[in-house]
Amino acid sequence: DAKTTQPTSMDCAEGRAANLPCNHSTISGNEYVYWYRQIHSQGPQYIIHGLKNNETNEMASLIITEDRKSSTLILPHATLRDTAVYYCIVSSAGTASKLTFGTGTRLQVTL
Amino acid sequence: EAGVVQSPRYKIIEKKQPVAFWCNPISGHNTLYWYLQNLGQGPELLIRYENEEAVDDSQLPKDRFSAERLKGVDSTLKIQPAELGDSAVYLCASSPEGENEQFFGPGTRLTVL
Repeated sequence: DAKTTQPTSMDCAEGRAANLPCNHSTISGNEYVYWYRQIHSQGPQYIIHGLKNNETNEMASLIITEDRKSSTLILPHATLRDTAVYYCIVSSAGTASKLTFGTGTRLQVTL
Repeated sequence: EAGVVQSPRYKIIEKKQPVAFWCNPISGHNTLYWYLQNLGQGPELLIRYENEEAVDDSQLPKDRFSAERLKGVDSTLKIQPAELGDSAVYLCASSPEGENEQFFGPGTRLTVL
């Protein structure tokens, strides 16, 4: 599976959009971009995934560049409860493929 | 819908003692995963089950770790004997057949003294 690069940490003011970048320059054609987050003392939580088109759900939006070498997770109106570690993972679809978690981006949402 | 259930949530043992963790996945989820998470790191896969069959256990330290998933539902992960370096959070996750969206339990925090 392709490797990903994320900033170690980011801050965001409550109510503002949080834009979390991820580089995955070695992604291959059949690999998806997955985002999970982990709130302190909880297990990781699935957020969203996409192949090449932009995706939106009730939690977030995922913007994937046309060359698929990078993506951005957008939390449109961050709240204090969005403070967590956010993991960007590249993996093939299906349960046979591993989710390889890196160290993620620690997002701190502040008042 | 109930989520993935794990017990115990916390466990403190002395080194060389055995320990076991239990996981009940979401109903109907065929795939079950055990992960290990060290402090400040992301989770690392230990073993993956498809129903009752362990289909990927390449990262499981088989000299001291064992796992089972009888009847393809609940699963148990065991360490015997535990070492100081085994102190970590042990996470269980499950996913529906054919999908890679994984649902995680809250984990068991193990402290080995």
